[in-house]
This record gives sequence, C-alpha cells and structure tokens, in this order.
Amino acid sequence: AQSVTQLGSHVSVSEGALVLLRCNYSSSVPPYLFWYVQYPNQGLQLLLKYTSAATLVKGINGFEAEFKKSETSFHLTKPSAHMRDAAEYFCAVSASGYSTLTFGKGTMLLVSP
Amino acid sequence: KAGVTQTPRYLIKTRGQQVTLSCSPISGHRSVSWYQQTPGQGLQFLFEYFSETQRNKGNFPGRFSGRQFSNSRSEMNVSTLELGDSALYLCASSNGQGSSTDTQYFGPGTRLTVL
Repeated sequence: AQSVTQLGSHVSVSEGALVLLRCNYSSSVPPYLFWYVQYPNQGLQLLLKYTSAATLVKGINGFEAEFKKSETSFHLTKPSAHMRDAAEYFCAVSASGYSTLTFGKGTMLLVSP
Repeated sequence: KAGVTQTPRYLIKTRGQQVTLSCSPISGHRSVSWYQQTPGQGLQFLFEYFSETQRNKGNFPGRFSGRQFSNSRSEMNVSTLELGDSALYLCASSNGQGSSTDTQYFGPGTRLTVL
C-alpha cells in the first residue's frame, strides 16, 4: 500500500522567494511520484513526475523535485515565486504506471507581493 | 490534441436522486479513472476502466458505479444521493499501458451539490 504526507496545509511566501513544498511517501515497492497543481475551479495539472530515472526531476513553470530514497521524500521547489504560482499543490504516489494515484491532502501556496 | 472533457461542469441534485456524470478522454487513451475530491477527505480514487472493463476499484459503496464505452468515453453513476456525496468529481485519462511514460491527465471536474 502507498501513502503520502504533505507537511503544511498552507505555505506563505513573498514574491521572488524560494518555494519549498514538502512531500513524504510510503510505498512497499519502488514508487512513481507526481506533483500536480490545482487552480481554483479547475482540474489537476501535472507539474512533474519521477519514474526511477534521474532523481532530480524538472517540471513546468520552473518547478523541480528531488527524489531521496533514504528520506522517502519528494519535495517540490522553485527558486523564485511568482504571483501566478498561488494554487493548491498535490503530491501523489503510485506503485507503477498501472496503479491508481494516492494523493496527499494538498498544500495551498499563498504568494504575497 | 483536445484534453479531457467532463460534462456537466455543475450539477445540483436533491437527496435520494441519482446522477450520471460523463467523461471523454484524450484521443487514443484507453484508461479512464475517477476521483472524488472533498474538503474533508481530499482526493480519493473511485474506480478505473480500461478497454470497457473495470480494472481497479476504490473503497466506495455500491451506490457508485461506472462504465466505459467502446470509444473509451466513461460515465459514472451515483444512486440514492446523500448530502455527503457533494464533491468535485474528477476524471483522468491515460493510455493505460503501465509504462513509465504513462501519465494521468485530468479533466476540469464536475461539481456536484446535493441538497
């Protein structure tokens, strides 16, 4: 079974500051890991995914995440926040490409000018 | 290439009624998954269909059902609606082959309100 824990239901940063959203996972098999973003009244948009290739994964909109097996973590970062990054971010895990996604509770990113 | 589409976008029903939601996947995708999103429970997996067969099922009561047609379009049905069924229902499509390149792409969702 897989599970995901996202630390912090809300994260506030200033525009231009570093964004760090934390995700820890539990999986009995090598996982596939994902970050999705959800803007108000919209569905989920894939930011990036890890599928056992490079441990540092680059995604869209300047986001990246690093897979750390020893820490069972897959934290999402962006060097400089922009107002348009304000949204809810979800970390998800699956056991393989066939498997369903198990999501964390989400982290709302607030960006102030 | 057109994305995942869901209809209707908004729906209001009363307790005891039943409802059918529709999802059209990305062209060429054969897998459709459904998720329920609520403020309290977050995103929860309902079921997945691949080539007209239910391949995976989440932990939801039998009032929740689905099907998939030969063109990969999918519908989910909820019978005897309860207040707690109010949620955003998201559909996701993928090619369903299980490779590392396989990714679930989500539609905009259907917002169901049960009064």
